[in-house]
Amino acid sequence: LAKTTQPISMDSYEGQEVNITCSHNNIATNDYITWYQQFPSQGPRFIIQGYKTKVTNEVASLFIPADRKSSTLSLPRVSLSDTAVYYCLVGGNNAGNMLTFGGGTRLMVKP
Amino acid sequence: DSGVTQTPKHLITATGQRVTLRCSPRSGDLSVYWYQQSLDQGLQFLIQYYNGEERAKGNILERFSAQQFPDLHSELNLSSLELGDSALYFCASSLGLAGGPVEETQYFGPGTRLLVL
Repeated sequence: LAKTTQPISMDSYEGQEVNITCSHNNIATNDYITWYQQFPSQGPRFIIQGYKTKVTNEVASLFIPADRKSSTLSLPRVSLSDTAVYYCLVGGNNAGNMLTFGGGTRLMVKP
Repeated sequence: DSGVTQTPKHLITATGQRVTLRCSPRSGDLSVYWYQQSLDQGLQFLIQYYNGEERAKGNILERFSAQQFPDLHSELNLSSLELGDSALYFCASSLGLAGGPVEETQYFGPGTRLLVL
């Protein structure tokens, strides 16, 4: 399983764009990159998933360079309610592939 | 709301006891996963079932066991409980059709908070 490395924590202010980068040097050819968000005492919530280049949905964008050894989750104009832990995961393309959650990035959005 | 339900929401019990946690996956999902999250720690994968059969095993203790029933709901049984078993236990489900990442994307339930005294 590809290991991921993310910053332990980040601070931001309301209205700013937040970019969280994840390193995954050992990503396999078939692996996808998936980001989850977790609020305290709640289950992780799927945010976005991608394989290469750029993916955008209603809540975030995911940028993946050509070598796919890293990815960046971009949250536009964050609000206080975006304060959460964000997990980057790699894999998920094979049946039975377990998810390995790292420590995640604890994002604190300040007023 | 992910569509995954877990019961009970909270459980308080004593050391040495046995408890059962229940999970109902999203409609149509064949795979169920169990995770443990201790205080201020990441999620630890325990076990996965696909259509009633065990598919993958993680860091699950021998005192813990799980099963998936014909109606696809799953139960996680925790026995000989210790203080250190106090944690949030999450269930997740996915389509699990052995396809690509869309099918394997996991959706998590609200969790069961277990407190062992």
